[in-house]
Amino acid sequence: AAGVIQSPRHLIKEKRETATLKCYPIPRHDTVYWYQQGPGQDPQFLISFYEKMQSDKGSIPDRFSAQQFSDYHSELNMSSLELGDSALYFCASSLAGANVLTFGAGSRLTVL
Amino acid sequence: GDSVTQMEGPVTLSEEAFLTINCTYTATGYPSLFWYVQYPGEGLQLLLKATKADDKGSNKGFEATYRKETTSFHLEKGSVQVSDSAVYFCALRGSGGSYIPTFGRGTSLIVHP
Repeated sequence: AAGVIQSPRHLIKEKRETATLKCYPIPRHDTVYWYQQGPGQDPQFLISFYEKMQSDKGSIPDRFSAQQFSDYHSELNMSSLELGDSALYFCASSLAGANVLTFGAGSRLTVL
Repeated sequence: GDSVTQMEGPVTLSEEAFLTINCTYTATGYPSLFWYVQYPGEGLQLLLKATKADDKGSNKGFEATYRKETTSFHLEKGSVQVSDSAVYFCALRGSGGSYIPTFGRGTSLIVHP
């Protein structure tokens, strides 16, 4: 069965650069979530989209933005990267109102 | 707001030992409760869930019972295997207000042969 696909799996950037992460949800899932997991930390909710509109906003920095496109894939754009942005970024998808999220394998961002 | 508290890790066990990972929660209403597992280099995978009080979720030998009176959802397994070594996350999804899942810090389990 198709899963949530994230790309790239690994990304290395310098401070003050920009990065874009992509997420392709499970077909027919209409809701996408982004989480950030720092080393040894619990996943922190960043932002979610339902039917291409932002539905909830968590602890997403102003330097970050995200959107969901007409094909339901989502992109997380990060600018002016800081060392503290180094983390594993997870995308998850679900059907609206469903209890269970399906997670991708994550994109590991390292900021040097 | 909603929160989840898990026991600190790592938990180190020998193969075939009994496992308990404690999880308590704070939430209004009647949340749904989950355990997710994260194997090295992979994303979180749903292990089991319970959607109402006294429900027992089970999968792959793991069990957890939704205890509303103690606001707990402890994970148990009678006999762990080396392949169970992973990080386990307790999570809840509220029944009112935000439906965004809230995760605990995760508990690392290391099983030795």
